[in-house]
Amino acid sequence: QVQLVQSGPEVKKPGASVKVSCKASGYTFSSYGFSWVRQAPGQGLEWMAWISVYNDDTKYAQKFQGRVTMTADTSTETAYMELTGLTSDDTAVYYCARDLFPFSSTCQLNYWGQGTLVTVSS
Amino acid sequence: DIQMTQSPSSLSASVGDRVTITCQASQDIRNYLNWYQQKPGRAPKLLIYDASTLETGVPSKFSGSGFGTHFTFTIFSLQPEDIATYYCQHYDNAPYTFGQGTKVEIK
Repeated sequence: QVQLVQSGPEVKKPGASVKVSCKASGYTFSSYGFSWVRQAPGQGLEWMAWISVYNDDTKYAQKFQGRVTMTADTSTETAYMELTGLTSDDTAVYYCARDLFPFSSTCQLNYWGQGTLVTVSS
Repeated sequence: DIQMTQSPSSLSASVGDRVTITCQASQDIRNYLNWYQQKPGRAPKLLIYDASTLETGVPSKFSGSGFGTHFTFTIFSLQPEDIATYYCQHYDNAPYTFGQGTKVEIK
């Protein structure tokens, strides 16, 4: 069965960077794209960015452009999201989520990781 | 960027009631709309995509409709296990913004 398992919680100081991993299993990793979505405490969902594992295409929300780097390692079937220049506003649960259809750039997210809490505090 | 406006932001209904949530897009998104359910402390779950197509395994008590800028999500016969926050999300073009969510509670 499809599983996305994310790395554990992180505590970072303002100005630091964080790299969250998303280990996939149960399907052909290279055929799908991933989105990264975050949720600040008590708030709604915020779409951040998308990466295609099959052709390395990427899409970003403007507010994260230049601060977010997404990569996908096909040898370990793991996707990564790195966020730089952290501020307290980046404190949130970060989710990876897989596209519903292979070889598609439509953002229909039917498998989600369990979430990674990133806390930014001095 | 396309803005997604959900209403209401919260609602309280009785077991067995029909519940309706609306989502308005700031511009035409055709039928490129998802609906998700999120229970406290859990990741979201895709319920509906293409505005009206039920994801595999999702019970038919959930329904979606709409095209263009106005969309509706319905729960037929609300049950205690449906208590959650529901989000719409468009995927017409990036950024794929979510609505602000609708929290559904039992009266």
